[in-house]
Amino acid sequence: AQTVTQSQPEMSVQEAETVTLSCTYDTSESDYYLFWYKQPPSRQMILVIRQEAYKQQNATENRFSVNFQKAAKSFSLKISDSQLGDAAMYFCAYFGAAGNKLTFGGGTRVLVKP
Amino acid sequence: GAVVSQHPSWVICKSGTSVKIECRSLDFQATTMFWYRQFPKQSLMLMATSNEGSKATYEQGVEKDKFLINHASLTLSTLTVTSAHPEDSSFYICSATLPTFSYNEQFFGPGTRLTVL
Repeated sequence: AQTVTQSQPEMSVQEAETVTLSCTYDTSESDYYLFWYKQPPSRQMILVIRQEAYKQQNATENRFSVNFQKAAKSFSLKISDSQLGDAAMYFCAYFGAAGNKLTFGGGTRVLVKP
Repeated sequence: GAVVSQHPSWVICKSGTSVKIECRSLDFQATTMFWYRQFPKQSLMLMATSNEGSKATYEQGVEKDKFLINHASLTLSTLTVTSAHPEDSSFYICSATLPTFSYNEQFFGPGTRLTVL
């Protein structure tokens, strides 16, 4: 079974600074997708960014970018120019074609200091 | 964008009663819906996968007789917690998939907070 590990329970960042969240996963599949979801205090899950495993280029969405290292099975999220609204729980998730379901990591809480 | 709603957003019930939670895809037909459970300060745990017109597939350790799932149409799935007990108190989240390209993108509902007294 696939597993997703987020080793940082909580990260703190100064407003306008950069923070990087770690995620590692375990899989034997070659075709899969990786996601970062944001869960603010409202608890609504929001898709932040998506990476297809077959693409070598790292995905970018405005201030959010990933560092995808397929061989190392690592998928980190970088939040640049952090804003107060970025404060939330962030979940890394894996979707493999074989399982047809999302597997979530344990989450990282991001605190943004003004 | 694709919108998924849940009703109710919160519910309080007495121990031993049953509670039904609805999940609707408002502007698309969902081939598959998923039900998750989230305890405070924890991650989402998949409970079951629901396909329209067929029986739900439950994850290991989830009691199918306790958590009844009905997916009667392409826009509605329901989760019924039967004979609820305080340990069933949790945050329940549904998601619905919209076939897009080569994977099924999931759209999440806002969640339902269940408190069993």
